[in-house]
Amino acid sequence: QSVLTQPPSESGTPGQRVIISCSGSSSNIGSNYVYWYQQFPGTAPKLLIYRNDQRPSGVPARFSGSTSGSSASLAISGLRSEDEADYYCAAWDDSLFRPVFGSGTEVTVL
Amino acid sequence: EVQLVESGGTVVRPGGSLRLSCVVSGFTFEHYGMAWVRQAPGKGLEWVSNTNGYGVNRGYADSVKGRFTISRDNAKNSLYLDMNSLRVEDTAFYYCARVLEGWEIPSFDYWGQGSLVTVSP
Repeated sequence: QSVLTQPPSESGTPGQRVIISCSGSSSNIGSNYVYWYQQFPGTAPKLLIYRNDQRPSGVPARFSGSTSGSSASLAISGLRSEDEADYYCAAWDDSLFRPVFGSGTEVTVL
Repeated sequence: EVQLVESGGTVVRPGGSLRLSCVVSGFTFEHYGMAWVRQAPGKGLEWVSNTNGYGVNRGYADSVKGRFTISRDNAKNSLYLDMNSLRVEDTAFYYCARVLEGWEIPSFDYWGQGSLVTVSP
């Protein structure tokens, strides 16, 4: 079982806004930065968001991250077909003394 | 251009050993922490191990502690993962990744292409 909980899947039509949730606890999301990764089938993950809400160079502004208490969210605005991928959240856990990943969310564009 | 290239993945029997390598280029290797992250076929990401820029500090997932050893050779721009007492459940794609912030934080900004390790009787 993953320490960070994500919904298995989310979907939306082109142009819609999709929000992926990541639920943790006070020892991880509640006290440390959250990172988000995008992974296409058969390829390595890509860093999408760092430090809760920062986008690396080259990541479209359609992707945004936020946190509230022990939960984090990744929003995809103006959903496109090329956004179909798996998305993972991650954070350091102060109680486990190790990094933890979310279970992953598959985004489908209808 | 930053590049990470893993090698060493293969089929191995349970109880066997294997060394994965990751050769990097395009950045000053010793300035960055590095990590190994694995993904079993069809499953999610699992952090395996990480180390700081000089290889002094190391961390391991409970599932591999005592069996896997992470190391690095900064003169060769290389990261290694020595895997012993392999189990069927260690079957996965193994990715090496550069750590953006610190050495423990899961802030992996560059990844290799992955190396498949299959543990099968």
